[in-house]
Amino acid sequence: DQQVKQNSPSLSVQEGRISILNCDYTNSMFDYFLWYKKYPAEGPTFLISISSIKDKNEDGRFTVFLNKSAKHLSLHIVPSQPGDSAVYFCAAPRGAGGTSYGKLTFGQGTILTVHP
Amino acid sequence: EAGVAQSPRYKIIEKRQSVAFWCNPISGHATLYWYQQILGQGPKLLIQFQNNGVVDDSQLPKDRFSAERLKGVDSTLKIQPAKLEDSAVYLCASSLGRGRNTEAFFGQGTRLTVV
Repeated sequence: DQQVKQNSPSLSVQEGRISILNCDYTNSMFDYFLWYKKYPAEGPTFLISISSIKDKNEDGRFTVFLNKSAKHLSLHIVPSQPGDSAVYFCAAPRGAGGTSYGKLTFGQGTILTVHP
Repeated sequence: EAGVAQSPRYKIIEKRQSVAFWCNPISGHATLYWYQQILGQGPKLLIQFQNNGVVDDSQLPKDRFSAERLKGVDSTLKIQPAKLEDSAVYLCASSLGRGRNTEAFFGQGTRLTVV
């Protein structure tokens, strides 16, 4: 049962343009979402998160949007840089309230390639 | 601050052999997780420890996988006997506690190839 889905395996964008990575979820109990970034041969690193009480969270070039009615979230990177090339995972903490952010259900990941 | 340390980085074994992975979490982190990431998929939680006790091992294939966290610090994950489908990256992560404001930090992982 894939409760968090990233339907685009890969995305290619030009440097300076916007990158939009999408994520859908099925479990309406999820109330917090995180994006992780993973470079080859490294572990995932936390990028940005959003609580379900918000519909937008911004951190520098990275903005996450949440549409609860559609059970959809997206990560926008503006402007995209070649160093942003990595695999991006959408994730949600498993279980209801009090669950650690480390106990996560991950999507399949999207490979982002930013061309100079 | 030192990150989560894992060893070995790579391991190749034949099917039916046994293998063990080691993880040293960030100092002071009470909660430790092992994840399995198969190529093309997202990480999947195998087991969660709080100090030296198991909190959740519902997705751990207990017929061949075992894990322990002695003294609430380092942890080992063992597979015996290994199958071809166990080929994956095994990620260890740690966090301060079980509360919702405790981000998890991941190690670099151990890439296992079973041939």
